[in-house]
Amino acid sequence: DVQLVESGGGLVMPGGSLRLSCATSGFTFSTYSMNWVRQAPGKGLEWVSSLTPSGRSTYYADSVRGRFTISRDNAKNSLDLQMNSLRAEDTAIYYCAREPLGHQDLDYWGQGTLVTVSS
Amino acid sequence: QSVLTQPPSLSATPGRKVTISCSGSSSDIGNRNSFVSWYQQLPGTAPKLLIYDNDKRPSGIPDRFSGSKSGTSATLAITGLQTGDEGDYYCETWDHNLNVGFFGGGTKLTVL
Repeated sequence: DVQLVESGGGLVMPGGSLRLSCATSGFTFSTYSMNWVRQAPGKGLEWVSSLTPSGRSTYYADSVRGRFTISRDNAKNSLDLQMNSLRAEDTAIYYCAREPLGHQDLDYWGQGTLVTVSS
Repeated sequence: QSVLTQPPSLSATPGRKVTISCSGSSSDIGNRNSFVSWYQQLPGTAPKLLIYDNDKRPSGIPDRFSGSKSGTSATLAITGLQTGDEGDYYCETWDHNLNVGFFGGGTKLTVL
């Protein structure tokens, strides 16, 4: 079975940093693009970032570009999101999601990890 | 900046049909290289893919759910509404000019 399990969330002060991870299993990780999507408390979904199977191409929402870095380790079947200069508005549940090659949908999602930015 | 517009809320009675619209622009939904996906998020759970490539259903999704795209808009239709369909529904696509993904604001569906 396809599984995506996020970790690394927690409470961080404004201006601080946090690194999220997504451990995957049940599929050939190196052949899929991967994405991060977030959801602020009581709000809708917001696409955050994605990267191609090789990791060579990365894409970011304007709201996080220059502060967040997406990366992957195909040997470990894992996806990361390094978040720097965190702001209160970054408070959200962060989901990792799989994107089939040649498609634009997100067919499997993790259960999410909560990031709270507060003093 | 692309914006996908959905009605904030809809309600219907069990057994009826409901349609949820998603309005975009020529740079996102209206781009011939863009496909629309739809996601269902039941209370307290992660989103789930309902429709991909505008009108295709993943394995395990009942045919009560269908999608379509025309011009700069897309529509999700749900027939034979059930109380278990209550939740939030989101459209999503990719903006090929900006190379970013976008979700609609979401539609809260209430089945009375």
